[in-house]
Amino acid sequence: GAGVSQSPSNKVTEKGKDVELRCDPISGHTALYWYRQSLGQGLEFLIYFQGNSAPDKSGLPSDRFSAERTGGSVSTLTIQRTQQEDSAVYLCASSLGTLLEETQYFGPGTRLLVL
Amino acid sequence: QKEVEQNSGPLSVPEGAIASLNCTYSDRVSQSFFWYRQYSGKSPELIMSIYSNGDKEDGRFTAQLNKASQYVSLLIRDSQPSDSATYLCAVIGGFGDYKLSFGAGTTVTVRA
Repeated sequence: GAGVSQSPSNKVTEKGKDVELRCDPISGHTALYWYRQSLGQGLEFLIYFQGNSAPDKSGLPSDRFSAERTGGSVSTLTIQRTQQEDSAVYLCASSLGTLLEETQYFGPGTRLLVL
Repeated sequence: QKEVEQNSGPLSVPEGAIASLNCTYSDRVSQSFFWYRQYSGKSPELIMSIYSNGDKEDGRFTAQLNKASQYVSLLIRDSQPSDSATYLCAVIGGFGDYKLSFGAGTTVTVRA
């Protein structure tokens, strides 16, 4: 079946603008994760959604970052008033559930460049 | 966030040789361990998962886990040029945890 999809694949924006990144998980996967990969920080967790439970936002770096998941499927990560340090690859992953043996499958990522 | 350390690279091996990758983790209650492969400009793809002490083999790949030593490794046998990539060790902690903590990655180059 189809894997995790993300859009856009690349985004160039100016400092101070808002951006929205979209993730469509694998059909049937109830858990959805956002990670960020940057040169200086490696791959880091941002936020996690599981079903209708409140999301775990503990990895969000500032209040300029927010995310939502509508209907338990598609998720949008929003970055307000972008800064140059937000430049990174934003990766979305999904898994079947939260059991510890569940594998997370990654989408192709969105490459964000803030000028 | 939990610390995950990988042996520093880059690692260069000749074609047909064994590539050995090591990873240690700081959280003793960690339960699930993964190796992802990431080609340049691409997203991580799962190579192996391991949950119990011992060895797990899948084709040319063998993962080894030693929870007492907080150590997990990946062996790539009969290395091929297509194995040239960055290998990421990832760990999920104990009960109630679900997010992956990643090491910095080890870049492997297989020389033809």
